[in-house]
Amino acid sequence: RKEVEQDPGPFNVPEGATVAFNCTYSNSASQSFFWYRQDCRKEPKLLMSVYSSGNEDGRFTAQLNRASQYISLLIRDSKLSDSATYLCVVMNTGNQFYFGTGTSLTVIP
Amino acid sequence: DGGITQSPKYLFRKEGQNVTLSCEQNLNHDAMYWYRQDPGQGLRLIYYSQIVNDFQKGDIAEGYSVSREKKESFPLTVTSAQKNPTAFYLCASSALGLVYYNEQFFGPGTRLTVL
Repeated sequence: RKEVEQDPGPFNVPEGATVAFNCTYSNSASQSFFWYRQDCRKEPKLLMSVYSSGNEDGRFTAQLNRASQYISLLIRDSKLSDSATYLCVVMNTGNQFYFGTGTSLTVIP
Repeated sequence: DGGITQSPKYLFRKEGQNVTLSCEQNLNHDAMYWYRQDPGQGLRLIYYSQIVNDFQKGDIAEGYSVSREKKESFPLTVTSAQKNPTAFYLCASSALGLVYYNEQFFGPGTRLTVL
């Protein structure tokens, strides 16, 4: 079983739409959780960390459900510039990071 | 500016050659990592190091070697034993410690193509 699993998509949504991505992880002892964004042929960059209480940054909201071992990312009012691949990342003990395969998002004018 | 640099950006290798990818960071991070990314796949861990002169194999270490002689440097050698080395290679670093949420920072990557 993979450490982190994501729906690869692609998600094609119109500008202004709300879109949600989910991710599940297998290790219940996982410590830290992140969403990264990766543009085509570029390196991943941190979008936001995911805290137990949930957190919001502008149009982006991240949630963590430890009981069900899943993480979500909600993007409201999608912009063309949001088009990218979104990577779910989990850090386990020993500072090892595990990456999902990514979910592709295209925002259409 | 603090960050991670990787060089070269593009690298072409003939079969049977060893090549070394450079990774340098000035973030004063203890941990450094090498990943490989193939099209349509997630990042796979090759090697990681949490302290100078020490490193551990990741999931796909065969055909690769690393060194960590300095805190800021973690070069990766792709040897001729690596059967399918064409890929996008990413170096990352992170802080260590009791504080969680030590995010990883990535370099811009090196695209290696075997001719």
